[in-house]
Amino acid sequence: GESVGLHLPTLSVQEGDNSIINCAYSNSASDYFIWYKQESGKGPQFIIDIRSNMDKRQGQRVTVLLNKTVKHLSLQIAATQPGDSAVYFCAETPSGNTPLVFGKGTRLSVIA
Amino acid sequence: NAGVTQTPKFQVLKTGQSMTLQCAQDMNHNSMYWYRQDPGMGLRLIYYSASEGTTDKGEVPNGYNVSRLNKREFSLRLESAAPSQTSVYFCASSDTGRAADTQYFGPGTRLTVL
Repeated sequence: GESVGLHLPTLSVQEGDNSIINCAYSNSASDYFIWYKQESGKGPQFIIDIRSNMDKRQGQRVTVLLNKTVKHLSLQIAATQPGDSAVYFCAETPSGNTPLVFGKGTRLSVIA
Repeated sequence: NAGVTQTPKFQVLKTGQSMTLQCAQDMNHNSMYWYRQDPGMGLRLIYYSASEGTTDKGEVPNGYNVSRLNKREFSLRLESAAPSQTSVYFCASSDTGRAADTQYFGPGTRLTVL
């Protein structure tokens, strides 16, 4: 919605360029990480996930990188399109039975 | 399939009023969740229901109650609304109670408490 994300960090990217959205997490015991995309006025939508025993996972035009040493997660979007404009959230959980903890989000703005 | 539906889409309450937010899913999922989303705060879990007949508190349960009416429906009640409860509320569902399962979100309810 319009009021969500007023104070979010914003990344502006030219259409066709690659985007990199970063997320730092604090719980070294986190085992599972997910990226969600939220378009204006809609609920979050799953993009890609990664387990702590991996450092990279690729999907369609998206790649997630996990650096456990510095507790950092990134989402790379190749050939960014106007439809990629949204707020992106990372989420983590230390185990499969513990609810997800969401980060604060980053707004991606694609310049046509 | 409609996925996850929420009613109402918008609501304005006065302080002290009560209301119930409704959520339903048609994916035969076992687990359902209620989140609130405030500017700059991301999504915070209010309550969840890992399976029909069970409910558990999340990160911010104070001021809310929930009812898992059946496998399809999970409602969130504000007994005495406060301005601090002004937020966008999202319901979600997932196949099992494992947090690693993909959660599917509804479109949200925008609540303003005056």
